[in-house]
Amino acid sequence: GEDVEQSLFLSVREGDSSVINCTYTDSSSTYLYWYKQEPGAGLQLLTYIFSNMDMKQDQRLTVLLNKKDKHLSLRIADTQTGDSAIYFCAVAQALSGSARQLTFGSGTQLTVLP
Amino acid sequence: NAGVTQTPKFRVLKTGQSMTLLCAQDMNHEYMYWYRQDPGMGLRLIHYSVGEGTTAKGEVPDGYNVSRLKKQNFLLGLESAAPSQTSVYFCASSTPYRVGREQYFGPGTRLTVT
Repeated sequence: GEDVEQSLFLSVREGDSSVINCTYTDSSSTYLYWYKQEPGAGLQLLTYIFSNMDMKQDQRLTVLLNKKDKHLSLRIADTQTGDSAIYFCAVAQALSGSARQLTFGSGTQLTVLP
Repeated sequence: NAGVTQTPKFRVLKTGQSMTLLCAQDMNHEYMYWYRQDPGMGLRLIHYSVGEGTTAKGEVPDGYNVSRLKKQNFLLGLESAAPSQTSVYFCASSTPYRVGREQYFGPGTRLTVT
């Protein structure tokens, strides 16, 4: 089955850029997502990218996809203390019809230091 | 719109007891999913549904049953709870009519089985 790997921790200073990395194994995955989870809360969708794209920018967020290396990254510009959370990379695999199973990495805990 | 809601938010069960978790969505989504999240891990798919009256097994279905009698509701049942089912349970929904096929998550139910 699909395997998704992320580093567990990342610390940055407020105002710096954060880069969270993710690798996956299934090259047939069509949709790749980034979710944010704050303590005690559910998962908030941040952004997604199609497998036929190299980059997607959405305000402070930039997603880069290297399909050859099966590597996905999320860059957060001008990181703020409110960005402190766990960030999950998720890769979609087809189920029946258009339904998709999301396979998640174990999450990267981002800590933003003042 | 409330989005995806889950009931209850917290529950403590004794081994062997049964319970039902309720998920409701008001986005008229066709697909609904149940995931579980264990400490230090990403979410894993338990069961899913592609429409009213249909359900299917996901990655970790053992010990759980589901029903989708109405389009907006998806129930997850534990017939005889075991300590291994201590986890946080998330419901999600999606529609094939959104370009990104993204899944929207509820706030979660924290279940402890003693």
